[in-house]
Amino acid sequence: EAGVAQSPRYKIIEKRQSVAFWCNPISGHATLYWYQQILGQGPKLLIQFQNNGVVDDSQLPKDRFSAERLKGVDSTLKIQPAKLEDSAVYLCASSLVSIYNEQFFGPGTRLTVL
Amino acid sequence: QKEVEQDPGPLSVPEGAIVSLNCTYSNSAFQYFMWYRQYSRKGPELLMYTYSSGNKEDGRFTAQVDKSSKYISLFIRDSQPSDSATYLCAMASGTYKYIFGTGTRLKVLA
Repeated sequence: EAGVAQSPRYKIIEKRQSVAFWCNPISGHATLYWYQQILGQGPKLLIQFQNNGVVDDSQLPKDRFSAERLKGVDSTLKIQPAKLEDSAVYLCASSLVSIYNEQFFGPGTRLTVL
Repeated sequence: QKEVEQDPGPLSVPEGAIVSLNCTYSNSAFQYFMWYRQYSRKGPELLMYTYSSGNKEDGRFTAQVDKSSKYISLFIRDSQPSDSATYLCAMASGTYKYIFGTGTRLKVLA
């Protein structure tokens, strides 16, 4: 079974630039999550999709972050404009149905904002 | 007060030692308790999953939940160098709230 795929693996940008991350979840997984993991901290949930609908985006900084899940499969997370404090690893995870199912994580995208 | 507190470590132990990792939490609504392992530059992977209070054992790993004290633990017996990683506790409630601890870095010395 193929795992969660993410790209790019690394990205370096300057502040005020925009950046986009892509995630392809495990086939058949209805729920998709984006997390932000700052160095030395645990993952923080940014947004949760159930199929192509948003379940929870309470911690997404909506003035600069946006996310969509196309046709209930792939997802993109965008930051525009980026700030220095956005430097982190962005993790995508998927699960069969809900948070009570095991979450499978991708390798993450390491973003550095200069 | 943070919803989930976890000692960041690092924790260094000799091979074969018993390791105890702990988290405390403040929100009594949490019902599901997980432990994830994260190797360097990798995503977390689920190790243990428990519902409500009690113990759960899987090989060398034992997860304990004490809801009355709002305290969860992960024990690793006969620790191996391959257990060297960051261990994250995570908790969830019925309202889709899913919170991770900050992680404890563990190093098992050969």
